[in-house]
Amino acid sequence: GENVEQHPSTLSVQEGDSAVIKCTYSDSASNYFPWYKQELGKRPQLIIDIRSNVGEKKDQRIAVTLNKTAKHFSLHITETQPEDSAVYFCAATYSWGKLQFGAGTQVVVTP
Amino acid sequence: DAMVIQNPRYQVTQFGKPVTLSCSQTLNHNVMYWYQQKSSQAPKLLFHYYDKDFNNEADTPDNFQSRRPNTSFCFLDIRSPGLGDAAMYLCATSREDGGTYEQYFGPGTRLTVT
Repeated sequence: GENVEQHPSTLSVQEGDSAVIKCTYSDSASNYFPWYKQELGKRPQLIIDIRSNVGEKKDQRIAVTLNKTAKHFSLHITETQPEDSAVYFCAATYSWGKLQFGAGTQVVVTP
Repeated sequence: DAMVIQNPRYQVTQFGKPVTLSCSQTLNHNVMYWYQQKSSQAPKLLFHYYDKDFNNEADTPDNFQSRRPNTSFCFLDIRSPGLGDAAMYLCATSREDGGTYEQYFGPGTRLTVT
């Protein structure tokens, strides 16, 4: 099966600074890498995703990069705001769309 | 709006008393998943249906069962809930799109076991 490691487990940033979360995966067949934001008591919300045929994708303040050779992918949040505070999960798909999640990163943005 | 619906949103059951959680979808997706998420942890896949084909994860306890009577509905049955089964249960759906499967999550059912 797939194994996904995510770092750091907690990340505190000042408002306006950037936040970076890194993940590695083990299954070279994985071809889809979503990122989810989860606020307390709510469902995971897809914020950005990247497919294996793309190296980088950007959506306003959020960007994701993928290095297939190294099996690394990262989430970049620029100009962080207090509403960015949440738990962020990376994930990699394997075996007919099953998702293996990373352990999560608690992001705290302080004003 | 097309969506994934879970009922109830909050469920309290007694130790050992069977409970059923419900998921329905209007997305017409052929794949449905059940996840268990405990506090401060990532969602953990319990099983999924690819069309009518049931796929159990190797480490899913026998206490957990599932039914999918049609494309739109999927149920999670916990036959004898233990205190350790208290968690958020998330349903998700997907369909193949160019070889990838974007998953859409329902709002979850928070299960409390007393």
